[in-house]
Amino acid sequence: AQTVTQSQPEMSVQEAETVTLSCTYDTSESDYYLFWYKQPPSRQMILVIRQEAYKQQNATENRFSVNFQKAAKSFSLKISDSQLGDAAMYFCAYMREPGGGSEKLVFGKGTKLTVNP
Amino acid sequence: EAGVAQSPRYKIIEKRQSVAFWCNPISGHATLYWYQQILGQGPKLLIQFQNNGVVDDSQLPKDRFSAERLKGVDSTLKIQPAKLEDSAVYLCASSLPGTGRYGYTFGSGTRLTVV
Repeated sequence: AQTVTQSQPEMSVQEAETVTLSCTYDTSESDYYLFWYKQPPSRQMILVIRQEAYKQQNATENRFSVNFQKAAKSFSLKISDSQLGDAAMYFCAYMREPGGGSEKLVFGKGTKLTVNP
Repeated sequence: EAGVAQSPRYKIIEKRQSVAFWCNPISGHATLYWYQQILGQGPKLLIQFQNNGVVDDSQLPKDRFSAERLKGVDSTLKIQPAKLEDSAVYLCASSLPGTGRYGYTFGSGTRLTVV
């Protein structure tokens, strides 16, 4: 079974600084997808960034970028120029290549990010 | 575009009582998911529907949980009877068919407290 591990229960960063959140996963599959979701106190999960395992190039979305190391099964999220609105729980998630139609996300336990003014 | 709507936002019940949660997905999204998020953990998939058919319910505790999606639009998740360990946030999400790999749209969830 696939598992996702986030080893940092909490992280803090100063406004305008850079922070990196760690994620490792375990799978025997070669094709899969990785995601970072943000969950503010409103509870709605918001997609931050995604990566397809067959792509070697790391995904970027504005201030958010990932470091995808397929051999090491590592998928870290870097947030540059941190803003107060970035404060939230961040979840790393894995989805195997859909088979039989199942598009199940397997989530880690999350990292609580605090942004200090 | 309206988001995924869920109700109620909060619910408190006593153990052994029944409870139901409602979800209205984004218009046109044929795929609907229910996730359970226990405090301090990431969400766990309970069930995935494609239209009104079940695609994946491998982690649904079928002795007490049931879900339906009549007419392939709205969905209801029911717990009967509830246990203390069912206290959690229940999240609904939706996507266009075959696009879950690009990320779903989640609702704001229902927080259930069983006392």
